[in-house]
Amino acid sequence: SAVISQKPSRDICQRGTSLTIQCQVDSQVTMMFWYRQQPGQSLTLIATANQGSEATYESGFVIDKFPISRPNLTFSTLTVSNMSPEDSSIYLCSVIDRGVGQGSPLHFGNGTRLTVT
Amino acid sequence: QKEVEQNSGPLSVPEGAIASLNCTYSDRGSQSFFWYRQYSGKSPELIMSIYSNGDKEDGRFTAQLNKASQYVSLLIRDSQPSDSATYLCAVIRSGGSNYKLTFGKGTLLTVNP
Repeated sequence: SAVISQKPSRDICQRGTSLTIQCQVDSQVTMMFWYRQQPGQSLTLIATANQGSEATYESGFVIDKFPISRPNLTFSTLTVSNMSPEDSSIYLCSVIDRGVGQGSPLHFGNGTRLTVT
Repeated sequence: QKEVEQNSGPLSVPEGAIASLNCTYSDRGSQSFFWYRQYSGKSPELIMSIYSNGDKEDGRFTAQLNKASQYVSLLIRDSQPSDSATYLCAVIRSGGSNYKLTFGKGTLLTVNP
C-alpha cells in the first residue's frame, strides 16, 4: 500500500493560532481524506480533499475553520485555524491507494497529535 | 440508531483464548466492511476486509459477515499479548458517488499473559 508521510507528528499550540498539517504520499492516489480522533473517541471524517477543487466538508466542519488544499495527486494540507482547546485531537490523513471502487479500504498516515493550550 | 455500533468493552481475555469482537451497522445497503487495529498512540492499521456473507480467514483472524442481520464480527484465535489494542469496525455506506468510510467507537481488547 501507499506510504503516507504526515508532519508534524505532534505540536503544542496556543489558542488563537493556526497550524498547517502536511500529508505526502509516495504515489498518486485518487482520493485523500482528513479525519479527526478526539481523546478516547473514534474517527470522524472532516472532509474529502479534492484535487484541483474545493474540499467536500462533512456536517459540522467548515472551510473557514479547516481549510484544505490539494494541489496534486500526492499532497494535501489541512489547516486548523483560530485554535481552541477543543481542537486538541489527533488529525489523520488517509488515502485510497487503489481504484476508487466501492470496496477499497483506507490507509492512514501516522497522524498529528495536536494539543492546544 | 448509530451508523456503526460495537460492543463497548473493554474486553479482557487470557493468552491463547479466542477473542470475539462484534459490530452492527444501520445501512442495509452497505457493501464493504473492514476491521482496523489501533495501538495506543498509533494510527489505525487495516487487518481485515470482507465483502460477502460468510467467513473470511487470514491467519489467526476470521471475519464474519451476515448482511441479513447487519452484523460483522472479528474472531482472534490463540490471542497474544501483542493483540492488545483497540479494534475499529468500519463500513462503507452505499449510494451516491461519495465515498465515506464510517467507523464504530472501537472495542479495547486486552490479552493477559
